[in-house]
Amino acid sequence: KAGVTQTPRYLIKTRGQQVTLSCSPISGHRSVSWYQQTPGQGLQFLFEYFSETQRNKGNFPGRFSGRQFSNSRSEMNVSTLELGDSALYLCASSLDLGLSSGNTIYFGEGSWLTVV
Amino acid sequence: DAKTTQPNSMESNEEEPVHLPCNHSTISGTDYIHWYRQLPSQGPEYVIHGLTSNVNNRMASLAIAEDRKSSTLILHRATLRDAAVYYCILRPANTGNQFYFGTGTSLTVIP
Repeated sequence: KAGVTQTPRYLIKTRGQQVTLSCSPISGHRSVSWYQQTPGQGLQFLFEYFSETQRNKGNFPGRFSGRQFSNSRSEMNVSTLELGDSALYLCASSLDLGLSSGNTIYFGEGSWLTVV
Repeated sequence: DAKTTQPNSMESNEEEPVHLPCNHSTISGTDYIHWYRQLPSQGPEYVIHGLTSNVNNRMASLAIAEDRKSSTLILHRATLRDAAVYYCILRPANTGNQFYFGTGTSLTVIP
């Protein structure tokens, strides 16, 4: 079955602009989480959505937001882009909310964002 | 966030076994141990996870110390495609799908 699909794969934006990234989870998966990866900070958790509700949020400013639709697809938005937002943004899906610590998540290939 | 300690880098010859260590001395009784790997220019990929007993799957084996303060990911025969950054992660219960990735171990496979 198809894996996690993220679009677009690559994009370049200018400081001050906003960007929307899209994620389609594995069929049947209801949880979608987002991560940011930079060379300096590594992989950092942004937020998680389950049943269209944000369930968990990492330590990022309010410029970073997201949402989940009824078909479990998710989008994340970054407003007022800064140079430091240049990163690989990864989406991961999971069957459920992960209340069991044995739950696993499956990542997409990511969206490479460059802010100039 | 639960802490793990891994060597920054390791090397292995192709077709030889690789043992990737991870220390997690502060692990609690309900924390699962997960391993993910990230190949260049790709998202992380699930490898294996376990709680107390050793685990095997088609990709690797996970050996967990009796006191659970350390674990070892074992790749039985390293191939060039196994060159990646390997992350050892502790998953506390009831934290949703928020995974804490450390810096991982960068594995180089020498032909």
